[in-house]
Amino acid sequence: QQQVKQSPQSLIVQKGGISIINCAYENTAFDYFPWYQQFPGKGPALLIAIRPDVSEKKEGRFTISFNKSAKQFSLHIMDSQPGDSATYFCAASLTDSWGKLQFGAGTQVVVTP
Amino acid sequence: GAVVSQHPSRVICKSGTSVKIECRSLDFQATTMFWYRQFPKQSLMLMATSNEGSKATYEQGVEKDKFLINHASLTLSTLTVTSAHPEDSSFYICSARQGYSNQPQHFGDGTRLSIL
Repeated sequence: QQQVKQSPQSLIVQKGGISIINCAYENTAFDYFPWYQQFPGKGPALLIAIRPDVSEKKEGRFTISFNKSAKQFSLHIMDSQPGDSATYFCAASLTDSWGKLQFGAGTQVVVTP
Repeated sequence: GAVVSQHPSRVICKSGTSVKIECRSLDFQATTMFWYRQFPKQSLMLMATSNEGSKATYEQGVEKDKFLINHASLTLSTLTVTSAHPEDSSFYICSARQGYSNQPQHFGDGTRLSIL
């Protein structure tokens, strides 16, 4: 049973546009929500993360929006660039469970020139 | 900071061979390391969690005798795929975390294992 559901599966956006990826979770005890970026043949790299006491976090062109009541969080990539073309994974973890990450299925983002 | 090195990056070997993959945290002490498996165009699947000096905790369905994990120091964990078969071919990725479980995990660049 997938504990974190991610959508869309893939996304094509023009250069300069906004990429939006959504995730939903079931376990209200989750207390850490990171986003990872993965390029082909490489390991995931931590992009940005948020904790449930904050509704939004911004780092450069990347913003996480968090809705605790709806059990949803999303990643916005502003001014998308071709170099942002990658697979993005949302995840959630529980401090009391060794911090094991539950990953979403991933979203392949393609930014066209 | 927070660099995790994984070696080798790619290995091709014959069926029946045992293969060892190393995961090192280069600039921090990793209290906990994780091993994942990833199939093409799929998400990461957690195989096991290892804490320094303790036996690894395996996820349901992962054969502990097939995938031997050793976390002998705060900077090194190894995964040994014993008597590997073609179905073990996959992308194996480790991650490491410093300190408590509310700290971020940092990932290595993975090992592409191909069993002929």
